[in-house]
Amino acid sequence: SAVISQKPSRDICQRGTSLTIQCQVDSQVTMMFWYRQQPGQSLTLIATANQGSEATYESGFVIDKFPISRPNLTFSTLTVSNMSPEDSSIYLCSASRGGDGEQFFGPGTRLTVL
Amino acid sequence: EDQVTQSPEALRLQEGESSSLNCSYTVSGLRGLFWYRQDPGKGPEFLFTLYSAGEEKEKERLKATLTKKESFLHITAPKPEDSATYLCAVQATSGTYKYIFGTGTRLKVLA
Repeated sequence: SAVISQKPSRDICQRGTSLTIQCQVDSQVTMMFWYRQQPGQSLTLIATANQGSEATYESGFVIDKFPISRPNLTFSTLTVSNMSPEDSSIYLCSASRGGDGEQFFGPGTRLTVL
Repeated sequence: EDQVTQSPEALRLQEGESSSLNCSYTVSGLRGLFWYRQDPGKGPEFLFTLYSAGEEKEKERLKATLTKKESFLHITAPKPEDSATYLCAVQATSGTYKYIFGTGTRLKVLA
């Protein structure tokens, strides 16, 4: 397994600002992912964070709104840019040692945008 | 289009009352099916991976099974601490390694 931490655990932000969420894994992993989970809903994949190259975004998510970095095999960041109340959600990071193996999840970042 | 459907949406059981959760999937080719447990305010916790029809995995009161179209999570003699949302996800053989999640089953076990 892998132990994943996220910072911050929660935040309240003003409309129009940006927030960067950090994800740290306790060991090197092949793949890292970013998800959004709205209240009472399941998980929606935002993007796959690729080490050394641009992230791969899912339909409906764009790099200008959700820029992602992955500078090494244990760390990634997700920025939520120019926030609106519709961005209020839980953002989750996950990691997988091999592409076809299980993903392990961080505790999530609860974001509220006023 | 790849799709995952979970039923029921919510389930209330008395302590000791066994039941099953269903995960139906449509995918071009199945690489793996994953079960997770999620407690309120926490990230999903990995339970099981199933790769091929006929496969079964067990852990304490939980048993996961897989057919070509669906998976079941059987809960035997549940306890209140089994209360959580149970999520199913599939990974297709085509394209990327991404998961497609179902909407989950919210389980409440009453003492």
